[in-house]
Amino acid sequence: DAKTTQPTSMDCAEGRAANLPCNHSTISGNEYVYWYRQIHSQGPQYIIHGLKNNETNEMASLIITEDRKSSTLILPHATLRDTAVYYCIVRVGNYGQNFVFGPGTRLSVLP
Amino acid sequence: GAVVSQHPSWVICKSGTSVKIECRSLDFQATTMFWYRQFPKQSLMLMATSNEGSKATYEQGVEKDKFLINHASLTLSTLTVTSAHPEDSSFYICSALSDRGSQPQHFGDGTRLSIL
Repeated sequence: DAKTTQPTSMDCAEGRAANLPCNHSTISGNEYVYWYRQIHSQGPQYIIHGLKNNETNEMASLIITEDRKSSTLILPHATLRDTAVYYCIVRVGNYGQNFVFGPGTRLSVLP
Repeated sequence: GAVVSQHPSWVICKSGTSVKIECRSLDFQATTMFWYRQFPKQSLMLMATSNEGSKATYEQGVEKDKFLINHASLTLSTLTVTSAHPEDSSFYICSALSDRGSQPQHFGDGTRLSIL
């Protein structure tokens, strides 16, 4: 079973920031938080990951709470092409383990 | 960024046919590759994990004689659906993982398999 819980769906206005929450209250100290998204009929696309500190890249920012029990993915200026299912996954740093996908959050960016 | 190529992207074939799907890591060596299956409006479900040069590990309920996996090199894994039937119709996705710390998995674009 997935170790994360996310809202089923969210809407966001085009050009505004999209904030996608994820709860991972049972996360272990050596588990990373990864975010992926899947646009219809494509494979999941890697967005960002982190362990303790907040992270930012060209796609998004990842804010992890101090107790690490939850995180938020921020898309600073959502576009229509950001409409997708977003998955939050926790996994131990590379020991060859797979990712367990939950149902994710379906983000709809509205014009 | 890392690129994983999956081929073919779409297959339609008759019942009883065997279908081979290829997954290649184009710019990195993948010590581990994963095969997932996704039904419409559902999340990805892991089918098997393959490590280069060894036998694949299948998830519970996945028939290893039905879904043959070969990971002969550090850049190529194949999934063969043997004697496919309509219930095998699905979206199959591979991913690849390099042996480097917390690096993420990178996914192929998937193969849509339709068995008539």
